[in-house]
Amino acid sequence: EAEVAQSPRYKITEKSQAVAFWCDPISGHATLYWYRQILGQGPELLVQFQDESVVDDSQLPKDRFSAERLKGVDSTLKIQPAELGDSAMYLCASSARDRGSYEQYFGPGTRLTVT
Amino acid sequence: EDQVTQSPEALRLQEGESSSLNCSYTVSGLRGLFWYRQDPGKGPEFLFTLYSAGEEKEKERLKATLTKKESFLHITAPKPEDSATYLCAVQGYGGATNKLIFGTGTLLAVQP
Repeated sequence: EAEVAQSPRYKITEKSQAVAFWCDPISGHATLYWYRQILGQGPELLVQFQDESVVDDSQLPKDRFSAERLKGVDSTLKIQPAELGDSAMYLCASSARDRGSYEQYFGPGTRLTVT
Repeated sequence: EDQVTQSPEALRLQEGESSSLNCSYTVSGLRGLFWYRQDPGKGPEFLFTLYSAGEEKEKERLKATLTKKESFLHITAPKPEDSATYLCAVQGYGGATNKLIFGTGTLLAVQP
């Protein structure tokens, strides 16, 4: 069964350091999402890609966060510099069509701890 | 503004004791309502999509229903392995985004 892959699964970093997360969506899925989930809350969208283009990054803190999907396949989310409040689970999801079949399938997530 | 409220926040059941989880939503135009299961430290696992009022879907001991204002996830004769957080999310029309608006989830514990 096809799955969304993410790495690393866990990351501990000191504040002011840079950190990067990687996501490989389900093969053939054109739409890729990055969500952030704080403990005890539901995931919140950070950025959505359609192929290699950003569709929505309105909730992405652009002064420190950046995301790219250069070839329209895998994606990288970067934080520089990390702050204590960035500690959370970072989830990647993908879906097959932009406006058709809307189910989003999530990866296992990256648990980030900023000390 | 699109919003999702889930209740109860936590639910403890005995094995075999059926119950329901509630998801109330407000959205300008509903494209879909989604149920996910999330185990500790893992990503959400897709369960169901409901598109219109009156629709029902089933999977093993789970049954999801939808009205114009809320959705219910019915759990029949639960087992300990059904213990997890159940998340509800809505997707609305408008704009280019397909983003899901999630509730805070219901933490279900099923005791043997």
